[in-house]
Amino acid sequence: RKEVEQDPGPFNVPEGATVAFNCTYSNSASQSFFWYRQDCRKEPKLLMSVYSSGNEDGRFTAQLNRASQYISLLIRDSKLSDSATYLCVVKGYNTDKLIFGTGTRLQVFP
Amino acid sequence: ETGVTQSPTHLIKTRGQQVTLRCSSQSGHNTVSWYQQALGQGPQFIFQYYREEENGRGNFPPRFSGLQFPNYSSELNVNALELDDSALYLCASSLGVGGTEAFFGQGTRLTVV
Repeated sequence: RKEVEQDPGPFNVPEGATVAFNCTYSNSASQSFFWYRQDCRKEPKLLMSVYSSGNEDGRFTAQLNRASQYISLLIRDSKLSDSATYLCVVKGYNTDKLIFGTGTRLQVFP
Repeated sequence: ETGVTQSPTHLIKTRGQQVTLRCSSQSGHNTVSWYQQALGQGPQFIFQYYREEENGRGNFPPRFSGLQFPNYSSELNVNALELDDSALYLCASSLGVGGTEAFFGQGTRLTVV
């Protein structure tokens, strides 16, 4: 079983749509959680950290459920520029080792 | 931009050859991690260097080795290249271990033929 599992997609949505990505992780000792965005043939970039209380950054909302070991990302009012691969990432305690999911590809069309 | 630079950006090597990839960390960052990203996959942790010492290693064979220099730049060496080593190699720099954001370089795309 992979340590971090994501639906690879692709998710094809029209501009303005709301889209949700889900992710599960296997190690209950994981301490930190993130969503990264990766454009085609580019490096991953941190989109947002994920907290148990949930957090929002503009059109993006991230949620963490530690009991279910489940992370989500909600994108509202999708833009063409949101087209990318979204990587779910977890990190253990006192380590910089990032464990990535395979990524979920999003394609927003006009 | 992140301030993390990698060289070269692209490279083609023949099976069995050796390759060295380089990474300059962001100013002030003393920790460098290397990742391998195969096509259609998420990045996989290779190893990390903290203050010139290896500080954790992923599930990669010994022919993957590294080095960190006093200025905190780093090299990834791969011996006896195999076709499956074809991937995007990413380095990420951070300040200290555990808890700080890692910034990725643009990567080196290695093709083994």
